[in-house]
Amino acid sequence: GQNIDQPTEMTATEGAIVQINCTYQTSGFNGLFWYQQHAGEAPTFLSYNVLDGLEEKGRFSSFLSRSKGYSYLLLKELQMKDSASYLCAHMDSNYQLIWGAGTKLIIKP
Amino acid sequence: IAGITQAPTSQILAAGRRMTLRCTQDMRHNAMYWYRQDLGLGLRLIHYSNTAGTTGKGEVPDGYSVSRANTDDFPLTLASAVPSQTSVYFCASSEVAGEPYNEQFFGPGTRLTVL
Repeated sequence: GQNIDQPTEMTATEGAIVQINCTYQTSGFNGLFWYQQHAGEAPTFLSYNVLDGLEEKGRFSSFLSRSKGYSYLLLKELQMKDSASYLCAHMDSNYQLIWGAGTKLIIKP
Repeated sequence: IAGITQAPTSQILAAGRRMTLRCTQDMRHNAMYWYRQDLGLGLRLIHYSNTAGTTGKGEVPDGYSVSRANTDDFPLTLASAVPSQTSVYFCASSEVAGEPYNEQFFGPGTRLTVL
């Protein structure tokens, strides 16, 4: 079967670093996506990993280990506007996205 | 450029009524998707369309139907609404289907309450 897990909620301090983990189980894999979703809004694309390693994009980085079925999203220099839910999704063998329930990130001053 | 638009923004519907959620994109994307999002659950795929004229069933298709008469429009119909269909519905599109890197762009969502 297919399963994807991420923490329900995390809290971090403005200016700090936070790592949001995601684990998945799948019989077919075509990449791992991270999306950001502010409350009441649509998800927006953050990153895509298909090979092992770290992809850096400004303050955000995403890591993938295919052998471990593991990814994380690293957010640096946290800002209040980073308060949002972060959705992890893997692309299965049919090229459809299987989504985690999302991690609500709360940033405190 | 509007991207993806959805209508209505929100709707309260009596159980048993028929309802069509509208979705239009102006990016000339081939693939379109309908998801529902419920608290504590991930986005779940209802139906998808890889190209105009074709549709497919996702993870939770029961009680829903779609059509794709042209590239831009992908309406979702609830033939006879039930309270378990209370949810936020997102329409999304991607340039192509069936390829590994395939960023999906989302509409603003429709909040549907079935009483």
